Order: sequence, then C-alpha cells, then structure tokens
Amino acid sequence: AQTVTQSQPEMSVQEAETVTLSCTYDTSENNYYLFWYKQPPSRQMILVIRQEAYKQQNATENRFSVNFQKAAKSFSLKISDSQLGDTAMYFCAFMTRPYSGGGADGLTFGKGTHLIIQP
Amino acid sequence: ETGVTQTPRHLVMGMTNKKSLKCEQHLGHNAMYWYKQSAKKPLELMFVYNFKEQTENNSVPSRFSPECPNSSHLFLHLHTLQPEDSALYLCASSQDFSGHRSYEQYFGPGTRLTVT
Repeated sequence: AQTVTQSQPEMSVQEAETVTLSCTYDTSENNYYLFWYKQPPSRQMILVIRQEAYKQQNATENRFSVNFQKAAKSFSLKISDSQLGDTAMYFCAFMTRPYSGGGADGLTFGKGTHLIIQP
Repeated sequence: ETGVTQTPRHLVMGMTNKKSLKCEQHLGHNAMYWYKQSAKKPLELMFVYNFKEQTENNSVPSRFSPECPNSSHLFLHLHTLQPEDSALYLCASSQDFSGHRSYEQYFGPGTRLTVT
C-alpha cells in the first residue's frame, strides 16, 4: 500500500516570501505520478502541479516548482513570491497505475499542510 | 469552477434517513470518483467508476451505495449512517484515453454532510 506523509500541519509566511512544503511517500512501484493539490477556503480542490516519476526534470508552473528526489521518495513544493491568494490547504498526492487495466487508480493523499500567507 | 458540480452543498440527516448526493461533470470525462474528507485525516478514496463500471470499492461500508447511470453523473446513496460518517464528500472526474489513464482529476466543491 502507498502512503503519503506531510510533516508540516501548518505554515505561515509573509507575502512575497518563498516557502517550501515537504512531502514524502512510500511505494514499491516504479511508475507513478505525484501531485500537489490546493484547496482554498471555498473547498474546491484544484491541481497545482504534477510530476511523472520517470522524468528526472523537476516540474515547474509559474511560481510553483517541485524538488523531486525519487531515491529519497521526497516531493517538496516551492512557492516563490507568495501571494495572499496562495492561502489554502495543500495536499500532496500519489497515483499508481497510470495505465488502466484494473486495480485502484484513485489518488492517495497526505493529511495536508495549511499554508497561511500574511500581508 | 472545475466543471464538476455537486448537490446539495450541505446536508444534515438523521441516522435513520435516506438521502442521496449527486455529482455531475461537464468535461466529457469517463472516470468518476468519490472521496471522503474528514477532519485531521487524509482524503480517502471510496469508489471509482470507469465507463460506468465500478472498478474500485475501497472497503466502504454498505450503508454507502454508489450509482453511475452514465459517464456524466455519479450518485452516492446514503442510509442508516453513523455520526462518524459526518464529513466532506468530494466527487472527481478524469479522462481515460484508451488504456492510458489521465493523471489529472478534477474535483467538485463537495457536500458537507452532518449526521445527527
């Protein structure tokens, strides 16, 4: 079974600062996807960034980037130039079986990190 | 908006009631999911439907009964629930491309369920 661990229940930074959210996971699979999802106070979960395990290059999306360390099973999210709108719960998630053919393909989530951006 | 809607947004029900949650996706996807989000716990996958067929039941009690009449609609029928079932229930959808599952799931806003 896969597990995802987010060790920081809550973080608070000043606007415009850079913040890094940590995530570790455990799996015996070699082919999988990793994700960071954001859940603002309105509760609609949206995808922030994704990483395919077979890609060595770290994914980036504007101010969001990841540090993917496959051997260490670590997948941290860096938010640069943080903004007030970044305040939300951030969930790290894992998915195996990128190819259909039976078995679970739902996401396995961590407990989340509540990120607060202070003005 | 992500293209996935859920109704109702809030629901209060007694332990002897029967109610249903509805999810609709407007994205043309063919896979749909139910997740349970409880306080201080990770989101838990409940059910997976692919092309209207249930492909995963993650050891969910029988008091939760899913129904997927077509690829755009997903229901969760509830009966004789327990107070510990109070949670936010999230629906999601994704696209499966002829054997290669899309990795991006789009979530609805959720139904906040309170069992009294």
